[in-house]
Amino acid sequence: DTGVSQNPRHKITKRGQNVTFRCDPISEHNRLYWYRQTLGQGPEFLTYFQNEAQLEKSRLLSDRFSAERPKGSFSTLEIQRTEQGDSAMYLCASSAQGSDTEAFFGQGTRLTVV
Amino acid sequence: KNEVEQSPQNLTAQEGEFITINCSYSVGISALHWLQQHPGGGIVSLFMLSSGKKKHGRLIATINIQEKHSSLHITASHPRDSAVYICAATLGGNKLVFGAGTILRVKS
Repeated sequence: DTGVSQNPRHKITKRGQNVTFRCDPISEHNRLYWYRQTLGQGPEFLTYFQNEAQLEKSRLLSDRFSAERPKGSFSTLEIQRTEQGDSAMYLCASSAQGSDTEAFFGQGTRLTVV
Repeated sequence: KNEVEQSPQNLTAQEGEFITINCSYSVGISALHWLQQHPGGGIVSLFMLSSGKKKHGRLIATINIQEKHSSLHITASHPRDSAVYICAATLGGNKLVFGAGTILRVKS
């Protein structure tokens, strides 16, 4: 296993377009998290899955954002009608079930909305 | 006020210096993480601790639960230690709340 994998690494899109990012977690991890990081800031929590169930969603996540993890393995994060303010690094992390288990991060997808 | 505060925001050190980065948190947590982020975005977990002290090579992390404070120390710093160091607190569901990060530059 090569760790958490995110695709694409970079995405440039025009304002108003839809984009979709993919995260493949470490295979035995049943928890998957999406975070967003803007320049000069620490990451902010967006949403969290345990297996295929989306257990928590941040208020930061507007209706234009949707995330899925249909089979409890990979996850997708879709942003509809992108805005310039959506430009950020989108980070995925996974962890095993249990309290205080270590989170492993992907390399992130850098989104630029022009 | 953020739930997790780090200081300093920026730190420049000379190679060989002892470095300390501080983290304070205002909520009840189950664990505290120190993470390293290099240009390009990838985040690597350095430590996860809920009490006491951990050491890995030249890195040492400590936590004081009563004072809600943690420190990351780097001994004999090297230019390759230059990175952003982020403190993060584990809340319910293993969700992480992050500090803003400390940008460390070690000059040779």
